[in-house]
Amino acid sequence: QSALTQPPSASGSPGQSVTISCTGTSSDVGGYNYVSWYQQHPGKAPKLMIYEVSTRPSGVPDRFSGSKSGNTASLTVSGLQAEDEADYYCCSYGGSSNVLFGGGTKLTVL
Amino acid sequence: EVQLVESGGGLAQPGGSLRLSCAVSGFTFSNYGMNWVRQAPGKGLEWLSYIAYSSGSIYYADSVKGRFTISRDNAKNSLFLQMNSLRDEDTAVYYCARRYNTGWFYFDHWGQGTLVTVSS
Repeated sequence: QSALTQPPSASGSPGQSVTISCTGTSSDVGGYNYVSWYQQHPGKAPKLMIYEVSTRPSGVPDRFSGSKSGNTASLTVSGLQAEDEADYYCCSYGGSSNVLFGGGTKLTVL
Repeated sequence: EVQLVESGGGLAQPGGSLRLSCAVSGFTFSNYGMNWVRQAPGKGLEWLSYIAYSSGSIYYADSVKGRFTISRDNAKNSLFLQMNSLRDEDTAVYYCARRYNTGWFYFDHWGQGTLVTVSS
């Protein structure tokens, strides 16, 4: 199975909203509600931001939201802040005890 | 505080072997499944392997199946990854990551990573 497809970059000004897409297939993103999103700052370990498509773990600001339509999942960051500048990775259960990540999207806060 | 600390990375020759360790603290290790995830330099994340809390279920990505072996020692709060037949493309930072309570395919705590370089 191939990695999930994300745009390499996204950007927005402080206070604006940005949406990052993650496209898979009916065998992964479209087949299960097991999509998660991770934030990674340079030189740091990834951090779980969203699981089960749209659920935030405790401590994650409600500015972060997730959704899914068909084979495409999305992460929306509202009210952009400087500290949101990071790489974002989507992830999906791929069936047959396999996990797939997207290639990552570099979010720039202008 | 949950802590995961990887070790064992370094330089290995193609065809060689390395054994990574992940020492955990701050939670009851024997209650949690664990994963290994890697990141090649400047690249994205790649899930490698999962082991259930009791070692009863073990899964591997196709890219490492037959070459890498995941294991754990609950008495020593440690997770391991034995890597054999190493290839240049195995060069990466290797992270251990704890599974989240709602699914083994979510990773809620990560170590800082250990760098493995495969080169002659």
